[in-house]
Amino acid sequence: DSGVTQTPKHLITATGQRVTLRCSPRSGDLSVYWYQQSLDQGLQFLIQYYNGEERAKGNILERFSAQQFPDLHSELNLSSLELGDSALYFCASSVSGTSGGQETQYFGPGTRLLVL
Amino acid sequence: AQTVTQSQPEMSVQEAETVTLSCTYDTSENNYYLFWYKQPPSRQMILVIRQEAYKQQNATENRFSVNFQKAAKSFSLKISDSQLGDTAMYFCAFMKLSRRGNNNDMRFGAGTRLTVKP
Repeated sequence: DSGVTQTPKHLITATGQRVTLRCSPRSGDLSVYWYQQSLDQGLQFLIQYYNGEERAKGNILERFSAQQFPDLHSELNLSSLELGDSALYFCASSVSGTSGGQETQYFGPGTRLLVL
Repeated sequence: AQTVTQSQPEMSVQEAETVTLSCTYDTSENNYYLFWYKQPPSRQMILVIRQEAYKQQNATENRFSVNFQKAAKSFSLKISDSQLGDTAMYFCAFMKLSRRGNNNDMRFGAGTRLTVKP
């Protein structure tokens, strides 16, 4: 158990809908990262938040957005869903220091999204 | 942009034997970290081993060790005494180390599917 929790574990929805995925980082971790794992694109970095602020953006679609709350949990919002958004969405967290292993990312169990 | 290449889509090894998974990367950065993650059938991403680029000594974690060749930009994973529980997808990952220490997104290779045979 990495200490990172994600809810829900599974999500089935229809095209055009909007869903919210939730992540709670490990105790003491300030950074949260979101990744998408799909069959054709592999593991792709989406976005990083550090202590409530956006720090890095990867291949995140405009239909997707995220935020990190004062208690450090994060939510990833996916809207106008398409069939191609079906994937496993991971959240990871790290302390995000500059040395001593604090930048190592620990992954949650993932949320499996199926868009029908 | 950093890229990570895993040239072996699938590999197999007999239980108790040794196997090496390859990874190469491309970067102009000098300070970075490299990781191997394991993803078993449960789909959980599990950290196997990490290597800091500034360290010349290869990292070791029990049966897992790496061969880090910085000049060649190569980072292979050696699994000794392979066990059935090692059957998984293995991902090599690169992370540059930002000066502020809080912009540390990882780039992953496509993965190598390892099967340990009894």
